[in-house]
Amino acid sequence: EVQLVESGGDLVQPGGSLRLSCAASGFSFSTFWMCWFRQAPGKGLEWVATIKEDGSQKNYVDSVKGRFTISRDNAKNSLFLQMNSLRVEDTAVYYCAREIREHPLSDWGQGTQVTVSS
Amino acid sequence: DVVMTQSPLSLPVTLGQPASISCRSSQGLVHSDGNTYLNWFHQRPGQSPRRLIYKVSNRDSGVPDRFSGSGSGSDFTLKISRVEAEDVGLYYCMQDTHWPFTFGPGTIVDIK
Repeated sequence: EVQLVESGGDLVQPGGSLRLSCAASGFSFSTFWMCWFRQAPGKGLEWVATIKEDGSQKNYVDSVKGRFTISRDNAKNSLFLQMNSLRVEDTAVYYCAREIREHPLSDWGQGTQVTVSS
Repeated sequence: DVVMTQSPLSLPVTLGQPASISCRSSQGLVHSDGNTYLNWFHQRPGQSPRRLIYKVSNRDSGVPDRFSGSGSGSDFTLKISRVEAEDVGLYYCMQDTHWPFTFGPGTIVDIK
C-alpha cells in the first residue's frame, strides 16, 4: 500500500523558516517525480513544486521561487520542502504527492498545517 | 501562466441524476509529446484530494465508471452519469502540460 506521511508543519512568525518532510512507502520512491501542493484556508488547490526522480530538475510556482527549496533523499525514501522567508500568505495545508500525469498513479498524503502569523 | 476556469462554481444535484462540470484553459493543453495533460480531482470536506481522471479521459485506479472526462484543446468536461451521495464535495480541474501547473477555482457539488 502506498503511503505518504507529511510532517514538520507548525506555527511560525513571518520571516521564519520551516522544513517539511514526507516519508514515502509502498512504492519505488527513487523512480518517480514527486510534488508539493498546498491549500490555503477555505481556498482552492495550488501546485508548489516538483522534483525529478534523481533531483536534477526542480520546478516552482513563481510565488515561492527563491524562498522554497524542494529536495529528496532517495536512500531514505523522503521528500522535503525547505521554506524560508515565510509570509502570511504561505499559510496552508501542504500536501506531498506522487502525481504521474502519464499513468493511473496518483497518491497524496494527509497534509501538514503551516501557519504563518505574528 | 495558464488560467483555468470552471463552470458552474456551484452545482446542486439530485441523487441518481447526471451532472456535468466544464473546465476551460486560457491556452491549449496539448503537450509537445502529443498528450493533453488535463486532470480532474475530487475533494471531500476535511480530506485530501483524489485524482479521478488523467489525460482528459482516463480514469484513475478504483474510480467508478460513472465518472467520465472528455474534451480537447482548451475545453473539457467532467460528467457523472448518476450522482451518488458520496460524490458531494469540491471538483477541480488541473493542467500539468505547462509550467507552472495550475488548478481551476473548484466546483462545489452538493445534494439538492
